[in-house]
Amino acid sequence: SQTIHQWPATLVQPVGSPLSLECTVEGTSNPNLYWYRQAAGRGLQLLFYSVGIGQISSEVPQNLSASRPQDRQFILSSKKLLLSDSGFYLCAWWQSYGYTFGSGTRLTVV
Amino acid sequence: AQSVAQPEDQVNVAEGNPLTVKCTYSVSGNPYLFWYVQYPNRGLQFLLKYITGDNLVKGSYGFEAEFNKSQTSFHLKKPSALVSDSALYFCAVRGPSGGSYIPTFGRGTSLIVHP
Repeated sequence: SQTIHQWPATLVQPVGSPLSLECTVEGTSNPNLYWYRQAAGRGLQLLFYSVGIGQISSEVPQNLSASRPQDRQFILSSKKLLLSDSGFYLCAWWQSYGYTFGSGTRLTVV
Repeated sequence: AQSVAQPEDQVNVAEGNPLTVKCTYSVSGNPYLFWYVQYPNRGLQFLLKYITGDNLVKGSYGFEAEFNKSQTSFHLKKPSALVSDSALYFCAVRGPSGGSYIPTFGRGTSLIVHP
């Protein structure tokens, strides 16, 4: 079956610490993958998308980076977190009928 | 450029009454239109989509949406609201061309169904 996994579900990190969020999909090959951030429980901001291994497009220049080391793995990273990086991070996978979203990671930077 | 407007931040409706969540869009060419629902601290769940065909699209949990090309609208509807329908609803549009398949999302409408 086709599924998308995202972890961790919640994360509390101090300012200046590194970040690594992971997203993996199962049951497909060469998926289009996306990272979104949702602030204050409302609008979605597209951060990065990837159409293949090693291919990353950045939509918004900021303190974050993304990597696609394997076909079905998409990682969101930061070397040094800022308070403004707090938010709800969503991974998504484009399928024929639309997006399938992961369950999200609630990141709180303290 | 494509855009989506959800003019209402919040919609309040009594349980058992019909509900409408509004969405208008702007895109070049024939649109791909979507509705998603988000419950607190969860990812977005697909409700329904319109690509072509019948203007009235039926989706999950009894929801439906009507595509109106002349008004560039894709309003979400349900004949009888449930308290459990209370959630955040997102409309999204994508143009017909391929490539990176990046839809544009509206800001979301909070639906509150009162018992």
